[in-house]
Amino acid sequence: GAGVSQSPSNKVTEKGKDVELRCDPISGHTALYWYRQSLGQGLEFLIYFQGNSAPDKSGLPSDRFSAERTGGSVSTLTIQRTQQEDSAVYLCASSPTSGVTDTQYFGPGTRLTVL
Amino acid sequence: GEDVEQSLFLSVREGDSSVINCTYTDSSSTYLYWYKQEPGAGLQLLTYIFSNMDMKQDQRLTVLLNKKDKHLSLRIADTQTGDSAIYFCAELTGNQFYFGTGTSLTVIP
Repeated sequence: GAGVSQSPSNKVTEKGKDVELRCDPISGHTALYWYRQSLGQGLEFLIYFQGNSAPDKSGLPSDRFSAERTGGSVSTLTIQRTQQEDSAVYLCASSPTSGVTDTQYFGPGTRLTVL
Repeated sequence: GEDVEQSLFLSVREGDSSVINCTYTDSSSTYLYWYKQEPGAGLQLLTYIFSNMDMKQDQRLTVLLNKKDKHLSLRIADTQTGDSAIYFCAELTGNQFYFGTGTSLTVIP
């Protein structure tokens, strides 16, 4: 079946512009996760959704970052007034539930470059 | 955030065992995980261990956890060229996952 998809695969933007990154989870998966992988650093957990709710937003790096999920399916991660340090690969994952031993299925990521 | 550290590179000969190490700082971790990232592909969960376990074995994979030293390792027996990838360890603390920087494993034929 279809896996997690993300769009766009690559995004180049100018400093100060807003960007939206999209994640389509596997159908029926209730939990959805956003991560960021910066060059030379490990994966950084940003936020997760259980259904449409995000119980914990403390992983978001700043108030320029926001995320929403509608209909328990598609999620968008919005970065306002992008900065060069926002350049990274943004990964989305989904799992059947938010159980901690559930396998998270990762998408291919969106590579964001802020000039 | 929490610190999860791994060495960046490891090279082994095909057929040998690989041992990838990870250290973490948060003693309240509940679960620890190993992920594999192959070139051009997404992350794949390999295995996980609950924090009250010392060891878990799954086919060629053995996970060892030393909770006192906050040290986690992944041993791959009979390493194959298809095992070449980046391996990430991660810990779950509360609701948040903390990942290491990844270890790039190169298997030499």
